[in-house]
Amino acid sequence: ETGVTQSPTHLIKTRGQQVTLRCSSQSGHNTVSWYQQALGQGPQFIFQYYREEENGRGNFPPRFSGLQFPNYSSELNVNALELDDSALYLCASSFGQGPTGELFFGEGSRLTVL
Amino acid sequence: GQQLNQSPQSMFIQEGEDVSMNCTSSSIFNTWLWYKQDPGEGPVLLIALYKAGELTSNGRLTAQFGITRKDSFLNISASIPSDVGIYFCAATIQGAQKLVFGQGTRLTINP
Repeated sequence: ETGVTQSPTHLIKTRGQQVTLRCSSQSGHNTVSWYQQALGQGPQFIFQYYREEENGRGNFPPRFSGLQFPNYSSELNVNALELDDSALYLCASSFGQGPTGELFFGEGSRLTVL
Repeated sequence: GQQLNQSPQSMFIQEGEDVSMNCTSSSIFNTWLWYKQDPGEGPVLLIALYKAGELTSNGRLTAQFGITRKDSFLNISASIPSDVGIYFCAATIQGAQKLVFGQGTRLTINP
């Protein structure tokens, strides 16, 4: 167990709705990254937060946004949900800004958009 | 963009057999990693490689960072039932915040 916790574990939304996913990072970690994993695919980088600021973003539209709080926990918000947003959303924590790649993932939030 | 080509996509083996999978790219990377994902779980880091040519072991797992920095392989010796799962290669370049992942290799073991 990595110590990274995500909530909710499963949720169902309809097209056009908005969703907020939450993540608590592992103790001692100050960086949080979010990844989207479609069924049968590898995770895709959404963005990273370091010191409460976005610190790198993948190829995702602006309706994907996030926050990091002073305690290093984080939220992923998705507006105007589309069917293709159905996926497992993974939060990963690490220490520092550098890309060592040693990420510690949570179990994910499985989002289904109907 | 950067892409990792992982093969094979799936493997069906007998318990006790050795396993080999690899990952290639047209891009150069500074770090290669191998993760394992079990159903309903997030990926778990198995091995991290930081130097071209580096060969690293973790128990029955051995991974290598290719000399060209464009590939990596993972070997599992004497497979056991708990090795079942999906294995992902991942890589990153210096200065980038993201990991690029391969498509995964699904390993199934017949007892």
